Amino acid sequence: QVQLVESGGGLVKPGGSLRLSCAASGFAFSDSYMSWIRQAPGKGLEWVAFISNIVGTIYYADSVKGRFTISRDNAKNSLYLQMDSLRAEDTAVYYCARGNLNSWFFDHWGQGTLVTVSS
Amino acid sequence: IQLTQSPSSLSAAVGDSVTITCRASQNIMTYLNWYQHRPGTSPTGLIYATSRLQDGVPPRFSGSGSGTEFTLTISNLQPEDVATYYCQQSFSTPPMTFGQGTKLDIK
Repeated sequence: QVQLVESGGGLVKPGGSLRLSCAASGFAFSDSYMSWIRQAPGKGLEWVAFISNIVGTIYYADSVKGRFTISRDNAKNSLYLQMDSLRAEDTAVYYCARGNLNSWFFDHWGQGTLVTVSS
Repeated sequence: IQLTQSPSSLSAAVGDSVTITCRASQNIMTYLNWYQHRPGTSPTGLIYATSRLQDGVPPRFSGSGSGTEFTLTISNLQPEDVATYYCQQSFSTPPMTFGQGTKLDIK
């Protein structure tokens, strides 16, 4: 079955960096669109970044553009999110999610990894 | 594109039928998806393209609408339906936008 397992979250000071990873299994990862989506404490869902399958088209939310970098390693069935210049408002649970049938409907999500930006 | 859900929260009894509305700030045809986020778990896809159920979703969930107004209806409400429900548009991406969520409780 489809499994997505995030890792790499933790406590970081403002201005610091973190790299999140998402290990995928149970489906053709290299054929799939993927996204990172976050949920700040007590808030709703916010899309962060998107990467397509083979061509690797990439998009970012305005709130993270220039600070975050999404990437993938299809040989390792892994998705990444490099987060630099972190701010307090980046504090959230970060989920990786798979696009169903290469669409912007994200049918399967990982369990999430918590990123806390605080001094 | 902005999405506005109503109500923000609701409470209903087991066996009831509930409806959640999602309004888009412009015409999104039928590019509207729904997600379920149960407490203590991760979100999951529920309905895509307005009315198509994701594999494994019980048929008591249904979606309808087009243009700017959409609804998610849950019939015969069950305790496991306690969750926050989000709509999301995939008509104009990026950015992908979500509604603010509707929290559903059981009376």
